[in-house]
Amino acid sequence: AQSVSQHNHHVILSEAASLELGCNYSYGGTVNLFWYVQYPGQHLQLLLKYFSGDPLVKGIKGFEAEFIKSKFSFNLRKPSVQWSDTAEYFCAVNARSGGYQKVTFGIGTKLQVIP
Amino acid sequence: EAQVTQNPRYLITVTGKKLTVTCSQNMNHEYMSWYRQDPGLGLRQIYYSMNVEVTDKGDVPEGYKVSRKEKRNFPLILESPSPNQTSLYFCASSQKGLAGVANTGELFFGEGSRLTVL
Repeated sequence: AQSVSQHNHHVILSEAASLELGCNYSYGGTVNLFWYVQYPGQHLQLLLKYFSGDPLVKGIKGFEAEFIKSKFSFNLRKPSVQWSDTAEYFCAVNARSGGYQKVTFGIGTKLQVIP
Repeated sequence: EAQVTQNPRYLITVTGKKLTVTCSQNMNHEYMSWYRQDPGLGLRQIYYSMNVEVTDKGDVPEGYKVSRKEKRNFPLILESPSPNQTSLYFCASSQKGLAGVANTGELFFGEGSRLTVL
């Protein structure tokens, strides 16, 4: 079974600081990788995804993530955060399990951006 | 507008009083799933469905039931709620994947239903 580890559970940054959130997964086969964002009081929304091809993936709102297969990692980055980036971020991995793709989430990282 | 709709959004109930949380999607997705979100535990899958009349347990199915009689609807049933089922619940759907796989893994979420069981 796959698992997902997010290393930082609560991150506090000042506006304009750079962001990197760590995500590691454990699974030996082919996976697809995702980052979802949950703004306060809202549902989860897809931020970016990796299925195949270029391991550097660009998402919405200036976010990007790099898939490093040898390290089983999919870290999320943003060069300059804004107050509006305050949210909870979830890394997720899906892997084939019988007839469907089982999606497993990390426990989330709460990002607080201080103006 | 493509969306997943859950009802109710907020509910306070008492132990043992049966309740149903409805979920409906208008994207013609075959795959649907229920998650619960708890602080420090992230999202955990309760049940999923690969198609009409095809449902299976996720990681935390105890105390829940589901049904899938129509493609668009996937209600979550708590026959006898208990306080440990107090949580934030999300329904999600996904479009069909390649090579006969039921979903792509990319999920579209509903707004969430916050349930409190006293």
